Amino acid sequence: EVQLVESGGGVIQPGGSLRLSCAASGFSFDDTTMHWVRQAPGKGLEWLSLITWDATTTYFADSVKGRFTISRDNSKNSLYLQMNSLRPDDTALYYCAKDFGSGSSPPYYLDDWGQGTPVTVSS
Amino acid sequence: QSALTQPASVFGSPGQSITISCTGTSSDVGAYNYVAWYQQHPGKAPKLLIYGVSNRPSGVSNRFSGSKSGNTASLTISGLQAEDEADYYCSSYTYNTFVAFGGGTKLTVL
Repeated sequence: EVQLVESGGGVIQPGGSLRLSCAASGFSFDDTTMHWVRQAPGKGLEWLSLITWDATTTYFADSVKGRFTISRDNSKNSLYLQMNSLRPDDTALYYCAKDFGSGSSPPYYLDDWGQGTPVTVSS
Repeated sequence: QSALTQPASVFGSPGQSITISCTGTSSDVGAYNYVAWYQQHPGKAPKLLIYGVSNRPSGVSNRFSGSKSGNTASLTISGLQAEDEADYYCSSYTYNTFVAFGGGTKLTVL
């Protein structure tokens, strides 16, 4: 059974940094492209970033480009999202999700999701 | 503002069929057969319902079907059940933004 468990969320002041983690199990993590997606309270889904199985390719949404970094450690079956220069509009539930595939080419279908970790950016 | 446009809400009665539209452009929905649909119940994570416009992952009921015409994709749910009440999101590959989601549609089963 696929399991994705996010952690690292919390309350942070504007301008601060936070590192989210996602522990994966139940599938070949080192063969799979992974994504981060967020959902602001009462709002829709917003795709943030993806990283290929070998971490050679990463993509970001314009809203987080230059502030967020995605990485992975295949030896630990873990995905990370380093978030810097946080703003109040980054407040959301952050999900990690696995892709159907492993590469950098589309399509991108997110076929399993974690339960999310909440991030609140507020002074 | 979402790249893909969905109706904010749709309503249906048990046993009926409903269709949710997802309108994009010739640069996303119209250009690629890379449309997916996700179902999200309150307080839960999204679940993949449809991929590649009309394919169902294993375990998804055949009451859910997808299609596309031009720049608009559609999700049809037949034989509506109370458990189908949820939010539904479409997504598509886009060259510039990689993964675009629709704004979401709240389905209410009356």
